[in-house]
Amino acid sequence: NAGVTQTPKFRILKIGQSMTLQCAQDMNHNYMYWYRQDPGMGLKLIYYSVGAGITDKGEVPNGYNVSRSTTEDFPLRLELAAPSQTSVYFCASSKLVGANVLTFGAGSRLTVL
Amino acid sequence: AQTVTQSQPEMSVQEAETVTLSCTYDTSESDYYLFWYKQPPSRQMILVIRQEAYKQQNATENRFSVNFQKAAKSFSLKISDSQLGDAAMYFCAYRGGTGTASKLTFGTGTRLQVTL
Repeated sequence: NAGVTQTPKFRILKIGQSMTLQCAQDMNHNYMYWYRQDPGMGLKLIYYSVGAGITDKGEVPNGYNVSRSTTEDFPLRLELAAPSQTSVYFCASSKLVGANVLTFGAGSRLTVL
Repeated sequence: AQTVTQSQPEMSVQEAETVTLSCTYDTSESDYYLFWYKQPPSRQMILVIRQEAYKQQNATENRFSVNFQKAAKSFSLKISDSQLGDAAMYFCAYRGGTGTASKLTFGTGTRLQVTL
């Protein structure tokens, strides 16, 4: 079981560059989420999706974009990277809502210099 | 909006002792779920325990148990017989019921140190 796979694990960007963090799950989960974790802090929701073709903003969406063309994939796009986007990014998914547990990817550490 | 508060940035416990991590939350919903996640240095988020708000009985998973006080909106985690492998960041999290896309809201975390 691969679960939730995130790539890359580490990346260094220069200010103004763009990149896409990839997230794929093989569990046929409907719900997918992107979180960011700043040093010493909890996770904050960037974007989420309740199914293919449906996405919505979370708590901190500025500077990011997402798409959900398939059930399996939920890429996060960073446009015009800024130092404030230096963080660890987590993708997560769940089959259903409520008590269903989120399965997290291993995280992607992004540094913007 | 729901908020989750963890007022203890750091806690320390001796091996084999018991420690309690605090969590409070604010919500107007009646149907919701509460979780404790563990994050070791590997960064992987690992579910420790979960509690359904409609259940009065406190959840238990081996050495981990919760004290869920719905009226007080409190959800503390008790770790018994602490082990070195319990050292990690612990996050309390809230998830709403159906119809809310069930976004998980996290607290800021408590770093647990386990000493010999």
